[in-house]
Amino acid sequence: DAMVIQNPRYQVTQFGKPVTLSCSQTLNHNVMYWYQQKSSQAPKLLFHYYDKDFNNEADTPDNFQSRRPNTSFCFLDIRSPGLGDAAMYLCATSRLGSGALGAQYFGPGTRLTVL
Amino acid sequence: AQKITQTQPGMFVQEKEAVTLDCTYDTSDPSYGLFWYKQPSSGEMIFLIYQGSYDQQNATEGRYSLNFQKARKSANLVISASQLGDSAMYFCAMNRPGDYKLSFGAGTTVTVRA
Repeated sequence: DAMVIQNPRYQVTQFGKPVTLSCSQTLNHNVMYWYQQKSSQAPKLLFHYYDKDFNNEADTPDNFQSRRPNTSFCFLDIRSPGLGDAAMYLCATSRLGSGALGAQYFGPGTRLTVL
Repeated sequence: AQKITQTQPGMFVQEKEAVTLDCTYDTSDPSYGLFWYKQPSSGEMIFLIYQGSYDQQNATEGRYSLNFQKARKSANLVISASQLGDSAMYFCAMNRPGDYKLSFGAGTTVTVRA
């Protein structure tokens, strides 16, 4: 089945210790997104790629970086995690299309704990 | 700017009954898309249903239907014959053509009681 996969599902890191979250997709979608979601809140877009074009949201902290080495994979790097970065991180993909074709498909998320 | 409002933070529904989740939106764009997503406690956001602003008919997908009232700028989700597995958080979202980013509402938590 075509899908969006995120690893690991749960990640524990220490304050200030860099961490990398990964996302892969078998949907062959052009666009990949990273969201941060805190408890009982809506997802907040951090950045997205259209193919290799990187688009950063204006309020995404510099502490968050991303890499997309190929169509299938995308990584989220948190250079120096703070306690406030503890959250669920969701990866999503979509086609570049109108209507329902542009729907985003999400992975299961990585729940990050910062000690 | 687009804005999505979901005014119901939480709802309870009896199994096998229908439930309506409210969503209103604000946009100055004549063309836009509306989406509903389900997020169970496991965390994955699941795409449920889509409605385009120019669609003449309300969208339906199985037990999900969208009550689209364009003049009132509302796009309410109706879940018929609720099941225990429908317990989740539900998000309404919208985008504009050519802008694939989504604007999300705050979400509504639905709890289905046996």
